Amino acid sequence: GDSVTQMEGPVTLSEEAFLTINCTYTATGYPSLFWYVQYPGEGLQLLLKATKADDKGSNKGFEATYRKETTSFHLEKGSVQVSDSAVYFCALGRPQGGSEKLVFGKGMKLTVNP
Amino acid sequence: GAVVSQHPSWVICKSGTSVKIECRSLDFQATTMFWYRQFPKQSLMLMATSNEGSKATYEQGVEKDKFLINHASLTLSTLTVTSAHPEDSSFYICSGRRMMSYEQYFGPGTRLTVT
Repeated sequence: GDSVTQMEGPVTLSEEAFLTINCTYTATGYPSLFWYVQYPGEGLQLLLKATKADDKGSNKGFEATYRKETTSFHLEKGSVQVSDSAVYFCALGRPQGGSEKLVFGKGMKLTVNP
Repeated sequence: GAVVSQHPSWVICKSGTSVKIECRSLDFQATTMFWYRQFPKQSLMLMATSNEGSKATYEQGVEKDKFLINHASLTLSTLTVTSAHPEDSSFYICSGRRMMSYEQYFGPGTRLTVT
């Protein structure tokens, strides 16, 4: 079945450091890929997504490219800020009866220090 | 927009009792709602999908008689954990989806501790 594997943290970085969070998936066909972010005390929020191979999703300085050849969707940001401290989830989605059924990775907690 | 709330945020109950968790879409109509369960350091696992006014569809391995889901209105879904046991202790998260949209909007979660 479908599965998502992502880097496990926690990870602590200094402000302005470069961030990469690895995510690989196992799935047949062409699922959609997502990154969700969960800030302390809040629900998961969609950060970015890509729906087909070679698509690049981007938002708030974060980027991820759908790489079918390596079954990966790594999240990157060139310069993190303290406000980026959160838990990041990689997810795979498939349409299910008109909605998107999501399969999540375990999440990675990022702390950015000033 | 697209805010989902959950109540309570944390609940402790005794083994054998039942507990109800509410999920509300505050500023949109959620035609579909999802319930997830998350164990420490584990990913979110989908438990069930519910469409307003219909019976929930449960994922394989989830006991529908234990985890009762009701989606009676476009803004409210409830999850009732019946005859709770310590192994039901977990973090429960709901999400809602608008009609004609694939995006899910997540609540902040409810931590259930069964003693």
